[in-house]
Amino acid sequence: AQSVTQLDSHVSVSEGTPVLLRCNYSSSYSPSLFWYVQHPNKGLQLLLKYTSAATLVKGINGFEAEFKKSETSFHLTKPSAHMSDAAEYFCVVSQYNFNKFYFGSGTKLNVKP
Amino acid sequence: DVKVTQSSRYLVKRTGEKVFLECVQDMDHENMFWYRQDPGLGLRLIYFSYDVKMKEKGDIPEGYSVSREKKERFSLILESASTNQTSMYLCASSLAGLNTEAFFGQGTRLTVV
Repeated sequence: AQSVTQLDSHVSVSEGTPVLLRCNYSSSYSPSLFWYVQHPNKGLQLLLKYTSAATLVKGINGFEAEFKKSETSFHLTKPSAHMSDAAEYFCVVSQYNFNKFYFGSGTKLNVKP
Repeated sequence: DVKVTQSSRYLVKRTGEKVFLECVQDMDHENMFWYRQDPGLGLRLIYFSYDVKMKEKGDIPEGYSVSREKKERFSLILESASTNQTSMYLCASSLAGLNTEAFFGQGTRLTVV
């Protein structure tokens, strides 16, 4: 069985400070892991994906995530938040043999000036 | 670029109506999905199709059916719309196999009155 837990429903940071959005997963097999972003009234956009090639994954807009198998975590980070980062972020797990994507409940990121 | 197009951005329907939500993808993807997005619940999988005429139930299939007569098109059907089906509906597609991500449409916001 697969599941994803996003540990914070809301995160608020000041512009220019680091961002940390936390995600834990459970998966019976080696998973693929993704982070998606959804800006207000927009569709979902892929930020980055982990596919076992490297544990530290770099994505778009300065985001990165580290896969830690021992902790079953895939936290999303960014060194310096920008106002345009304010959005909802979803952690997603899939297993290739099941071809399905399972979403966390989302984390809303607020960036204060 | 992959394009997933949902036929309507906004729909208002009456209780008991039969509702069709249409989705078309232009990248010859094998897999197509219908999700429902509600605040605080993330995206929940309604139905999944891995080939023409093939479908699998997701986590919340009750009250919904699907149709995939052509590879590029995946329809979600609400047989008799109810107010608790008021939600944002998102269609997605992906290639089959390892390490593939899902591509999403812009969503259809359905209101059942």
